Amino acid sequence: AQTVTQSQPEMSVQEAETVTLSCTYDTSESNYYLFWYKQPPSRQMILVIRQEAYKQQNATENRFSVNFQKAAKSFSLKISDSQLGDTAMYFCAFMKQNTDKLIFGTGTRLQVFP
Amino acid sequence: DTAVSQTPKYLVTQMGNDKSIKCEQNLGHDTMYWYKQDSKKFLKIMFSYNNKELIINETVPNRFSPKSPDKAHLNLHINSLELGDSAVYFCASSSLGLPIYNEQFFGPGTRLTVL
Repeated sequence: AQTVTQSQPEMSVQEAETVTLSCTYDTSESNYYLFWYKQPPSRQMILVIRQEAYKQQNATENRFSVNFQKAAKSFSLKISDSQLGDTAMYFCAFMKQNTDKLIFGTGTRLQVFP
Repeated sequence: DTAVSQTPKYLVTQMGNDKSIKCEQNLGHDTMYWYKQDSKKFLKIMFSYNNKELIINETVPNRFSPKSPDKAHLNLHINSLELGDSAVYFCASSSLGLPIYNEQFFGPGTRLTVL
């Protein structure tokens, strides 16, 4: 069975600084997808970024980028130029290819301070 | 325009009652899901329906019964509510285009409190 681990329950960062959220996963699959979701206080789940396991290039979306280390089964999220609106819970998630079942980590609460 | 909507947003009820949460999507998706987020924020899939057929059915008490009257709706009915059912329930939808991944769009969640 696949598992997703987020070892940082809480993180904080000052506005305009950079922060990295950690995620590791365990799977015997070779083809899969990895995601970072953001859940602000409004509760809405928002997809931040997605990585296909077969792609070696790390995904980027504006200020958000990932460091995908397939051999190490590591998938960290880097947020550059942090903004107050980035304050939220961040969930790492895994999906095996040919399925639509998302498996979530326990989340990291990120607080951005002015 | 609301893509995935849920009603109600908040639901407070007594133990033993039966309640339903409704979900509707206007994205033209063919697959819908229910997730449960517990008090520790852990999010786990409960069910998925594709074209009104049950695809994923995780280990969920049979007091929980999803109902899909059509592709745009997936309602969650819960019988004999228990204290442990208190959680936030999220509906989501996607176009199931396996093996290609298609994003799941989430609703705003329904916070269920069982007293």
